[in-house]
Amino acid sequence: DAGVIQSPRHEVTEMGQEVTLRCKPISGHNSLFWYRQTMMRGLELLIYFNNNVPIDDSGMPEDRFSAKMPNASFSTLKIQPSEPRDSAVYFCASSLVGNYGYTFGSGTRLTVV
Amino acid sequence: KQEVTQIPAALSVPEGENLVLNCSFTDSAIYNLQWFRQDPGKGLTSLLLIQSSQREQTSGRLNASLDKSSGRSTLYIAASQPGDSATYLCALTQGGSEKLVFGKGTKLTVNP
Repeated sequence: DAGVIQSPRHEVTEMGQEVTLRCKPISGHNSLFWYRQTMMRGLELLIYFNNNVPIDDSGMPEDRFSAKMPNASFSTLKIQPSEPRDSAVYFCASSLVGNYGYTFGSGTRLTVV
Repeated sequence: KQEVTQIPAALSVPEGENLVLNCSFTDSAIYNLQWFRQDPGKGLTSLLLIQSSQREQTSGRLNASLDKSSGRSTLYIAASQPGDSATYLCALTQGGSEKLVFGKGTKLTVNP
């Protein structure tokens, strides 16, 4: 298995633009997580899904952020409109429910100018 | 609210030294605790997972311990090597939730 695949690796966009981050989890994993990493706040959970259903979205900062998981092999995190304070590295991770063996993707480095 | 703290934020040691990384947490009602390694520009790699009923786990030169009553975990690295240079993150789960609460990490540099 190629692991958790995230795209793009790097994204530079202008303030106000829509940004879509993508994630393909490991086949057979039924939990998917979106985390954000900044120097100030470290790694924080934004949202996670079990069997494609959102379970905890308490970390989603505001209505500008939305996440979907239309099927077991694909998830998106969308920011609309983007702001400079959204600049961070966004990680996707997947696991088997109850296993707690997480696999992280390589992350998407987002810069909003 | 659970808070996870890792001190020091950075550590530099000579090759071959044994070292201990520290992690403390404010709420002892945890489900499990994990140690991760993060290399620059890369994702996180899971190193060791300790269930709440366990006190330690070992993998090669790594040993992680857990003391819930004192709210502490340590990661012991034996005979450190330059390849061990990375940021080490401690994270835990609570109440059966799969949400990981992370510390901010300790950046380790092992000098040849």
